[in-house]
Amino acid sequence: GESVGLHLPTLSVQEGDNSIINCAYSNSASDYFIWYKQESGKGPQFIIDIRSNMDKRQGQRVTVLLNKTVKHLSLQIAATQPGDSAVYFCALGSQGNLIFGKGTKLSVKP
Amino acid sequence: DAGVIQSPRHEVTEMGQEVTLRCKPISGHDYLFWYRQTMMRGLELLIYFNNNVPIDDSGMPEDRFSAKMPNASFSTLKIQPSEPRDSAVYFCASTFQGGTEAFFGQGTRLTVV
Repeated sequence: GESVGLHLPTLSVQEGDNSIINCAYSNSASDYFIWYKQESGKGPQFIIDIRSNMDKRQGQRVTVLLNKTVKHLSLQIAATQPGDSAVYFCALGSQGNLIFGKGTKLSVKP
Repeated sequence: DAGVIQSPRHEVTEMGQEVTLRCKPISGHDYLFWYRQTMMRGLELLIYFNNNVPIDDSGMPEDRFSAKMPNASFSTLKIQPSEPRDSAVYFCASTFQGGTEAFFGQGTRLTVV
């Protein structure tokens, strides 16, 4: 079955620094790899996705890297801001299905 | 559109009682998901529908859980009888054509005492 795991449950960074959140996965059949952000008391919110045939995609202040050889996904946030404090989930998407990992809590210190 | 709407936001019930959670997906979305979130197990997919038809219910914990989608604008998740271990936040989400951008509701925080 599919499984998605995270290297670290918590990450603390200084405001203005770059953040890197990692994710390991086991199912190679996924079509998409996705990052979501969940703020306290809210549902997860889509950040960015990457197709399985790509290895890098950039958005506004965020970059997702996919290494299929070692089944690893990362989310890089540039110039981390207090508003970035949240729990970040990676998810696998295939044929309409969405399976989420357990999440990493990002704390931004002022 | 007001987004995915779930009700109630909070539910406290006694063990053994029936609980019904409700969800209204975004208009035009054809996929609907039910997730359960706990600290220990994270965000678990319970069941998802495509065009009102259940596609995969392998995440439903046991027969006490059931979900229906009678039409494109409404779905329910029912727990009968409820148990304390069912306490969690239950999220409903919808997507358009199985895309990667799922829109989540605010969730229902269920407490079974």
